[in-house]
Amino acid sequence: GQQVMQIPQYQHVQEGEDFTTYCNSSTTLSNIQWYKQRPGGHPVFLIQLVKSGEVKKQKRLTFQFGEAKKNSSLHITATQTTDVGTYFCAGQFTSNSGYALNFGKGTSLLVTP
Amino acid sequence: GAVVSQHPSWVICKSGTSVKIECRSLDFQATTMFWYRQFPKQSLMLMATSNEGSKATYEQGVEKDKFLINHASLTLSTLTVTSAHPEDSSFYICSARDWTGYSPLHFGNGTRLTVT
Repeated sequence: GQQVMQIPQYQHVQEGEDFTTYCNSSTTLSNIQWYKQRPGGHPVFLIQLVKSGEVKKQKRLTFQFGEAKKNSSLHITATQTTDVGTYFCAGQFTSNSGYALNFGKGTSLLVTP
Repeated sequence: GAVVSQHPSWVICKSGTSVKIECRSLDFQATTMFWYRQFPKQSLMLMATSNEGSKATYEQGVEKDKFLINHASLTLSTLTVTSAHPEDSSFYICSARDWTGYSPLHFGNGTRLTVT
């Protein structure tokens, strides 16, 4: 099936530093969604990007969708210990049965105080 | 709103036995539910798309005779792992949308299956 590539796999930062995770697809996406999974928990929806070049902000989090709708990024400014978890991007392709999502491998963020 | 309940949270079973996992949408109707599998520290792998009133659509490499999916109503989908083996031990998560199309997924809490 169509894949969504995500990097880096792990990121360890000091509290207060910034953090960015990137996703890339070889084919155009209908939309891309971002999820956060805390250790031992289930994925929780953060945001959805639909339009080419779209940028959305949630407090310290900034989400971008590329002009070609093939890549996306999540940037966290001044990380806090509460940001710890794994961040997944999930792409939706028009060919997917039932509008299923294809998840990237995720970026595990560790923030030390 | 948009709560998905998954049961059980964890289960331990012996090799050769079958295990049923339930996924319910509590406050919305879900014509489509999705079953994912997650290995430790890895991503979510889509196993199948569960369609209410019809057969599930399985992803390539997923054995439909081993992972039986039934979507009996608009609020309930079940995944039965038949003749379980230790390699089936994993974290299984269901998800659903509260409307069709490109809306976000709401996930259940997942089921940790351990096969001894």
